[in-house]
Parts: sequence; structure tokens; C-alpha cells
Amino acid sequence: AQSVTQLDSQVPVFEEAPVELRCNYSSSVSVYLFWYVQYPNQGLQLLLKYLSGSTLVESINGFEAEFNKSQTSFHLRKPSVHISDTAEYFCAVSDPGSSNTGKLIFGQGTTLQVKP
Amino acid sequence: DGGITQSPKYLFRKEGQNVTLSCEQNLNHDAMYWYRQDPGQGLRLIYYSQIVNDFQKGDIAEGYSVSREKKESFPLTVTSAQKNPTAFYLCASSRQINYGYTFGSGTRLTVV
Repeated sequence: AQSVTQLDSQVPVFEEAPVELRCNYSSSVSVYLFWYVQYPNQGLQLLLKYLSGSTLVESINGFEAEFNKSQTSFHLRKPSVHISDTAEYFCAVSDPGSSNTGKLIFGQGTTLQVKP
Repeated sequence: DGGITQSPKYLFRKEGQNVTLSCEQNLNHDAMYWYRQDPGQGLRLIYYSQIVNDFQKGDIAEGYSVSREKKESFPLTVTSAQKNPTAFYLCASSRQINYGYTFGSGTRLTVV
């Protein structure tokens, strides 16, 4: 069965520093990949997604993620973080066994703590 | 604007009581999902539904029940059989897999 591992539960970083949040998935079968962001006491918001084509995908607020098929990874990066980026981030992968239902498998989440 | 509405935002329940969490969407999405979120445990799937009048158990369905009588609505009932119901509950919907999920803003349930 597909599984998703977010390698860091918490990532503290100073404002304007770069950051990488790591995500690995288990299956090498063709998948769709997503990053979601959750602010305190709110639902999850889609940050970016990889479906096919260019392995580098970008969000409107400066985040980017690179799909690496050989390493089954989809790490999220930002070259310079802001205080407002403090949130929990979830990596999600489509379940190859349910291609028509849209069921996603989520990682455990990584809390990004941006310090002034 | 289209979206998913979860209500109430905060809910308090006495032990032994059933409680129903509401989830309504006006996105015309076929699939709907219920997740439970606990600190450090990520999101765990409770139930999901692909079409009206049909639903499947997720990974932690025990102590929960759902119905899908309308495309727009997917209410979750937390029964007295759920031993540890205090958690943050998230409802989501999707049209097709490549669009990902749209989430509601969540309901925080506390047993008092």
C-alpha cells in the first residue's frame, strides 16, 4: 500500500532564511503529488500539485516542489521564508488503487516555525 | 463563492451522547471525505463517499457513522461507541483526482 513519510515533524527557521520540507512516498507507480498548508484551527489549503510534465512546480507565494521519480520524493522549498509562512504543511499522494475516487494518502505533517 | 461549509466550528459533547457534524458543499463534487486530526498523527480517514447513497469505511470508522442522501451533504455522526472522540474533524470533497481536495474549515469536538 502507498505510504507517505514527512521526514521532519518540526522545522524551525529564521525569517528570510531558506527552508526545505521533505516528503517521500513508497510507490514508484505513476502518482499525483500535492502539498497542503494548514494555519491554526483552519482547514487545509492546496499549495501546489504535480500531475505530469515539468518536475518543478511552483505556488503563487514563492514555494516550489520538485518531483524526483527515482528517489520517490517531492520536497517543498522556499528560498526566503516570512513570519506568515508559519503553519503546518502536509504532503499527499494519490492512491494508485483508487485512481477514479481521488483518495489521497497524507503524510504526518511538518510544522514550520519561522522565527524573527 | 463555491466551497465547503462545516458546522459548528466548536462542539461540546457529554460522554455517552451521539453528536452529528455537518458538511455541505456547493462545488458539485462527487466525492466527499471525513478525516480526523490529532496532534502529531496527521490526517486519518474515517469515511468517504464517491456517489450519492454509497459510502465506504476508511481507516478508523469504528464509532462513527455517515449518510449521503444528497450530493451536497455528507454528515458525520460520532456515536457513544467512539472511545476517544475529542479531535479536530475535517470534511473534504473532490471532483477528480488531479484537482486534489477542497477542505472545510473544520469542527473541533470536545467531550466534557
